[in-house]
Amino acid sequence: KNQVEQSPQSLIILEGKNCTLQCNYTVSPFSNLRWYKQDTGRGPVSLTIMTFSENTKSNGRYTATLDADTKQSSLHITASQLSDSASYICVVSRGSRRSGGGADGLTFGKGTHLIIQP
Amino acid sequence: DAGVIQSPRHEVTEMGQEVTLRCKPISGHDYLFWYRQTMMRGLELLIYFNNNVPIDDSGMPEDRFSAKMPNASFSTLKIQPSEPRDSAVYFCASSLPAGGSNEQFFGPGTRLTVL
Repeated sequence: KNQVEQSPQSLIILEGKNCTLQCNYTVSPFSNLRWYKQDTGRGPVSLTIMTFSENTKSNGRYTATLDADTKQSSLHITASQLSDSASYICVVSRGSRRSGGGADGLTFGKGTHLIIQP
Repeated sequence: DAGVIQSPRHEVTEMGQEVTLRCKPISGHDYLFWYRQTMMRGLELLIYFNNNVPIDDSGMPEDRFSAKMPNASFSTLKIQPSEPRDSAVYFCASSLPAGGSNEQFFGPGTRLTVL
């Protein structure tokens, strides 16, 4: 069964500290993995996408890693800011002959709720 | 571009009433998705359209839910009759068929409360 498990469910850290969020998946065959950030009261916004051949990708203070062998991804946030308080959702796409933006092969994690305290 | 537009942003209704949620996708996007989000279950895909045609509605919980896309710039999600367990945030998203990268652009959501 295709599943995406995220941990921890919630996390509270002090402003300025670093943190790492985890995403484990059993989706097969793998196509790509995307991290979304969802601010309170808003829709998710894509932070980064990881394909099979990519191990690390950075977007400012956010760095995503992917280990396709162990089927694990992490999202590392450096020098956290109050604006990083949000839910972070991991979405894994299953490889398919069907091209395009269809959602047949998307599996969503339940997210990690991150709170940055001043 | 204004992004994906949803209305209303908040809806409070009584059990048994009909609820209609509306969505305007980003111009030029030919995929449109409806999601429901709750604390317990996270984001759940309800239905999605490609070029105004429903492709997969297997996520629609039951016959009380229906969705239409009469043209490329408008879609509705209807619940009739509504029940308290339908209370959730409903998101609409759109995307391009970008070779499988699947980035979806989400609207701000409609928070539905059924009393």
